[in-house]
Amino acid sequence: AQKITQTQPGMFVQEKEAVTLDCTYDTSDQSYGLFWYKQPSSGEMIFLIYQGSYDEQNATEGRYSLNFQKARKSANLVISASQLGDSAMYFCAMREIGTSYGKLTFGQGTILTVHP
Amino acid sequence: DSGVTQTPKHLITATGQRVTLRCSPRSGDLSVYWYQQSLDQGLQFLIQYYNGEERAKGNILERFSAQQFPDLHSELNLSSLELGDSALYFCASSVADSANYGYTFGSGTRLTVV
Repeated sequence: AQKITQTQPGMFVQEKEAVTLDCTYDTSDQSYGLFWYKQPSSGEMIFLIYQGSYDEQNATEGRYSLNFQKARKSANLVISASQLGDSAMYFCAMREIGTSYGKLTFGQGTILTVHP
Repeated sequence: DSGVTQTPKHLITATGQRVTLRCSPRSGDLSVYWYQQSLDQGLQFLIQYYNGEERAKGNILERFSAQQFPDLHSELNLSSLELGDSALYFCASSVADSANYGYTFGSGTRLTVV
């Protein structure tokens, strides 16, 4: 079974609008972390935002927020006021400690294209 | 600069050859992870080291091996290279094996096997 599922291979958004990138996860651990990374065309992996499984508030980092719905096992990334520089591949990832020694498991990614 | 240094950035080599990819983790990070990113397989976990010892193995081929040295830098050795080994290889480090901490990634080594 997929641990991390990103169902949107590609998304398009108009500059200055908000966009939501979907992510669902599967774990039996009580303690886990959820992460979003951005990979621009240059290839580097850039950390965006983190949500802990025990956090009651949704995480926010500038224009990025994480819509965490624990019962649904979803951790969607919301980018507000999209910019052209947001065009990139976005990965959702989960870190479990129970059986995985802390390795990050990644989804397949969503390519976001921001139109002017 | 993320603090994780990977060398070389690009590598072009022929099938059957052997290469070594190098990674220096961020200062203070004891864990090093290696990932392979290819178009058809996405980001695949290869192997983890913690303070010099192998901690976990993922989808790492027998032709591949890795180690972490006392100064905590790590090397990934790829031998008998095949065309399908062409990929972006990432090293990442983390301060702790805790769900609260993410990784810091290096900029990757792009390997092309011809």
